Amino acid sequence: GAVVSQHPSRVICKSGTSVKIECRSLDFQATTMFWYRQFPKQSLMLMATSNEGSKATYEQGVEKDKFLINHASLTLSTLTVTSAHPEDSSFYICSAQEGVSNQPQHFGDGTRLSIL
Amino acid sequence: EDQVTQSPEALRLQEGESSSLNCSYTVSGLRGLFWYRQDPGKGPEFLFTLYSAGEEKEKERLKATLTKKESFLHITAPKPEDSATYLCAVHTGNQFYFGTGTSLTVIP
Repeated sequence: GAVVSQHPSRVICKSGTSVKIECRSLDFQATTMFWYRQFPKQSLMLMATSNEGSKATYEQGVEKDKFLINHASLTLSTLTVTSAHPEDSSFYICSAQEGVSNQPQHFGDGTRLSIL
Repeated sequence: EDQVTQSPEALRLQEGESSSLNCSYTVSGLRGLFWYRQDPGKGPEFLFTLYSAGEEKEKERLKATLTKKESFLHITAPKPEDSATYLCAVHTGNQFYFGTGTSLTVIP
């Protein structure tokens, strides 16, 4: 149980392109979803937290207009990297949490984004 | 300041050589402590949740324990397939705090 699906797993695109990443909880309803960025050999860096039907809460230093997050249903959240540039190249990981706040997060398998 | 620290940063073990990974925390109000395993190029895989001091959880060669200040992930007779980065995270009720992980390599 507690499966989170993230797509696509890898994206390579030109600078200036907008890229959408989907995160779905397959067998549970996710009251909260999280988006992380991970640099090589480093831990997870939280970008934003989203609750279904509400605006996402962004961490300090994360540009809201650059990283658009939509959490339209209890099973789907999307992250759109707008007008991506090479410095946006990274490993993006989503996670979903079911129910009350002391439940674990369950993670997708990440998206490797490469901007040329 | 709420903080989660994992040690060691990296650990190399011979196959069959048991050891422990440490996750120490200073947070205002622990609501849960979580252990994850992360393989290269993948998202973290959930292993255990611990909620109160004295609690223990086991899964195959892994055993997680919790005190009021730290958690240990004990690995008994590890195999090469146990090689991964192990992350711990603490939830305070408001926020999750992740440690930087322990990179475990098990040599055949």
